Amino acid sequence: EDKVVQSPLSLVVHEGDTVTLNCSYEVTNFRSLLWYKQEKKAPTFLFMLTSSGIEKKSGRLSSILDKKELSSILNITATQTGDSAIYLCAVTLTGTASKLTFGTGTRLQVTL
Amino acid sequence: NAGVMQNPRHLVRRRGQEARLRCSPMKGHSHVYWYRQLPEEGLKFMVYLQKENIIDESGMPKERFSAEFPKEGPSILRIQQVVRGDSAAYFCASSPSRRTGANEKLFFGSGTQLSVL
Repeated sequence: EDKVVQSPLSLVVHEGDTVTLNCSYEVTNFRSLLWYKQEKKAPTFLFMLTSSGIEKKSGRLSSILDKKELSSILNITATQTGDSAIYLCAVTLTGTASKLTFGTGTRLQVTL
Repeated sequence: NAGVMQNPRHLVRRRGQEARLRCSPMKGHSHVYWYRQLPEEGLKFMVYLQKENIIDESGMPKERFSAEFPKEGPSILRIQQVVRGDSAAYFCASSPSRRTGANEKLFFGSGTQLSVL
C-alpha cells in the first residue's frame, strides 16, 4: 500500500526559529511530491518537486526532494506566527492523474 | 478570479438523512477531485471527475456515496443515509486540463464540514 509519512507530528517553536519538516514516502511509480499549507480552511499550494536535489524556494520557505532516500524536507527560516498551520505532504504516481496521496501532516505552532 | 467554491461550509444532518455537498471549480478548470479528511488524519482521495464523466472513483465507499459533475453547474458529492462515521471535512479541488501539464497542482476549496448527529 502506498504510504506517506510526515514527521514530526507536531512542533512548537518560537518566532524567529528555523524549522525543518520531513516527509518520506513508500510508493510505486513515484511522479511528484507536493507540499501544502493548511490553516483553518483550504490547503494552499506551496511547492511541487519532481527532480532530486533541486531546491525550490519561496521567500522564507524552501524544499528539496531526495529520490534516493525517498524523502523531502520543507524548511522555514525566521518563523512568524503566521506560519502556524498544518503542513501537508502529498505524492502523485504515474498513471493516476492528480490523485494525491497525503501524509497526516505536521502541525506547526509558532509562539511569540 | 474566484477560487474553488464549496458550499455549504457547514452541514448538519441527522443519521439517515441525505447530504449534498457542492463544488464549483476554478474558472477554466475542468477536473474536479473530492477528498475527505477525518479528524487527526490526512486527506484521503475519494473521486476524480471531468465534465459528465467519473474518471477514478477508487476512493469512494461502495455504498451510499455518489458524485457527479454535470455539463452545467457544480460538482455534487452525495451521501445517502448518513451515519456518524461520515462526519468529516470534505474538500474539493480542481485542476486545469491535462494538456497543460499542470494538472498535478491542485487548488482546494475551503471544504464542507459535515456533522452527523
